[in-house]
Amino acid sequence: DAGITQSPRYKITETGRQVTLMCHQTWSHSYMFWYRQDLGHGLRLIYYSAAADITDKGEVPDGYVVSRSKTENFPLTLESATRSQTSVYFCASRGNRGTGELFFGEGSRLTVL
Amino acid sequence: DAKTTQPTSMDCAEGRAANLPCNHSTISGNEYVYWYRQIHSQGPQYIIHGLKNNETNEMASLIITEDRKSSTLILPHATLRDTAVYYCIVRVPNTGTASKLTFGTGTRLQVTL
Repeated sequence: DAGITQSPRYKITETGRQVTLMCHQTWSHSYMFWYRQDLGHGLRLIYYSAAADITDKGEVPDGYVVSRSKTENFPLTLESATRSQTSVYFCASRGNRGTGELFFGEGSRLTVL
Repeated sequence: DAKTTQPTSMDCAEGRAANLPCNHSTISGNEYVYWYRQIHSQGPQYIIHGLKNNETNEMASLIITEDRKSSTLILPHATLRDTAVYYCIVRVPNTGTASKLTFGTGTRLQVTL
């Protein structure tokens, strides 16, 4: 099915481990985004990408790494997970029509023990 | 991006119109108003956006005041499935760092029988 998909949907890991959250979109959208959502903070931007091989920091980038080797994929890596990174992570892509609306995946719920 | 202010929560009876306000008094001339919603445990969903004219689509209507300092999202016949957190965002679409979309904490709409 066309759209934006995230995997895994649920992940439990331990402090210090590396975790990668995957995001795949089938629309060939140029822009993609990673957000985290925590109670009381709404959605906060971690990283975004304007195109393949172009990425930039958002509001809360520390502890995260991204890459964009292909337009359709935008993985988010926690190189050494910490408890404070327990959160729900949302990937999004922005439509190419020029009107700026974002389309979100269903989220990845990460628990760091 | 201009800052927005929304009520923390609102209630609405099923079948009635839900009117969700948003203040954006510092909006600049080229910033659009976007509305998203997030149903529990799902990814945010784009609803509607506008610049200065009122807009309507299959989901909702957007009323923007003449001075553009505030807007109202109208769900004409709210149903229980409209219970969600509604986010109002103002930004310039598709331009540089303004491509980052910053969400606040939104309005929690509870639709009741």
